[in-house]
Amino acid sequence: SAVISQKPSRDICQRGTSLTIQCQVDSQVTMMFWYRQQPGQSLTLIATANQGSEATYESGFVIDKFPISRPNLTFSTLTVSNMSPEDSSIYLCSAATGHEQYFGPGTRLTVT
Amino acid sequence: QKEVEQDPGPLSVPEGAIVSLNCTYSNSAFQYFMWYRQYSRKGPELLMYTYSSGNKEDGRFTAQVDKSSKYISLFIRDSQPSDSATYLCALTGDDKIIFGKGTRLHILP
Repeated sequence: SAVISQKPSRDICQRGTSLTIQCQVDSQVTMMFWYRQQPGQSLTLIATANQGSEATYESGFVIDKFPISRPNLTFSTLTVSNMSPEDSSIYLCSAATGHEQYFGPGTRLTVT
Repeated sequence: QKEVEQDPGPLSVPEGAIVSLNCTYSNSAFQYFMWYRQYSRKGPELLMYTYSSGNKEDGRFTAQVDKSSKYISLFIRDSQPSDSATYLCALTGDDKIIFGKGTRLHILP
């Protein structure tokens, strides 16, 4: 299994600013992911964070808006850039060990 | 046809009842099946992980997979109010994972 922590747990930000979310895993993992979850909705994959190379983004998500770093096998960051109220959501970090996938507690972002 | 279908509920059952949660899927490439529990304002928690058709039991939880029918289930025995949460199925295969939309479950004391 993997234990995942995220910082911050929540934030309220003004439009036009950027927020960087940190994700720490308690063990080395091959795959790390970033998801977004609107209230009452399921999970939407933003991107796969690749160690040592550029992240792989899903349709509808771009690097300029959601830059991702993965400097090693236990840590990743997601930046939400030039925020608008539509970016208000829960952002979840995830890590996979084998075929099992684990999630962090999420970062609740509100953009005003 | 969506890759995975899951009834969003809400599903309300009395305490002590047996709960049945289900997902159907369309792509036979999915080979690994998971159930997550998500409490309000929390991240999803992995409950059960199965590979083969048949049943897997863990305490009050039983995961069932029928690959021939492309149908997976999660049974909760002796349901408790603390089981009230959203339950998401997840399927993996071909290097991708697909999540159901989740079923909201309410256990009534």
